[in-house]
Amino acid sequence: GIQVEQSPPDLILQEGANSTLRCNFSDSVNNLQWFHQNPWGQLINLFYIPSGTKQNGRLSATTVATERYSLLYISSSQTTDSGVYFCAVTGFQKLVFGTGTRLLVSP
Amino acid sequence: GAVVSQHPSWVICKSGTSVKIECRSLDFQATTMFWYRQFPKQSLMLMATSNEGSKATYEQGVEKDKFLINHASLTLSTLTVTSAHPEDSSFYICSARASGGARYNEQFFGPGTRLTVL
Repeated sequence: GIQVEQSPPDLILQEGANSTLRCNFSDSVNNLQWFHQNPWGQLINLFYIPSGTKQNGRLSATTVATERYSLLYISSSQTTDSGVYFCAVTGFQKLVFGTGTRLLVSP
Repeated sequence: GAVVSQHPSWVICKSGTSVKIECRSLDFQATTMFWYRQFPKQSLMLMATSNEGSKATYEQGVEKDKFLINHASLTLSTLTVTSAHPEDSSFYICSARASGGARYNEQFFGPGTRLTVL
């Protein structure tokens, strides 16, 4: 089945810093989504981005489908950005989750 | 828009009893819903895919007689953990894939149910 790897696994930032999270996948996909899982376990949709670039406030994402990777950019990080970030891709109709990046933003 | 509710949010039960978890898409229709399981500090693991009006498709290693899934309508799916044992304790998360509209094909997740089996 399709493999999804994320890096880095853990990230500690000072408030106000910028960061880039990476997602590599092993096969062609027709859906890629980025999520933020908050401390209570709720998954929040960030981007639906099978290809191209999107921006939403301080967050933006780019997927290069031909090279099988996606990047999530967080600018001017805030403590509320802490949590786990997952990318997930659809292969054969099933959304397969990556390993996640655990982000801690300190004040 | 695109809200998925899940009930209960947490449940504690005795070993041997059954527990039913409900998942509803509140403002969109979902032909396909999914059930995931998440262990502490791990990623989400797909358990099964359910299509409205048909039998669920279970992932390898998931016991279909233990985890009964029903997808009776375009907005409701249920997961019943039968004869629960302590090893079934986990965080269960449902998801619904929008079958139309502006966010077609995007998956949305419920808040999860934390099950503890004593």
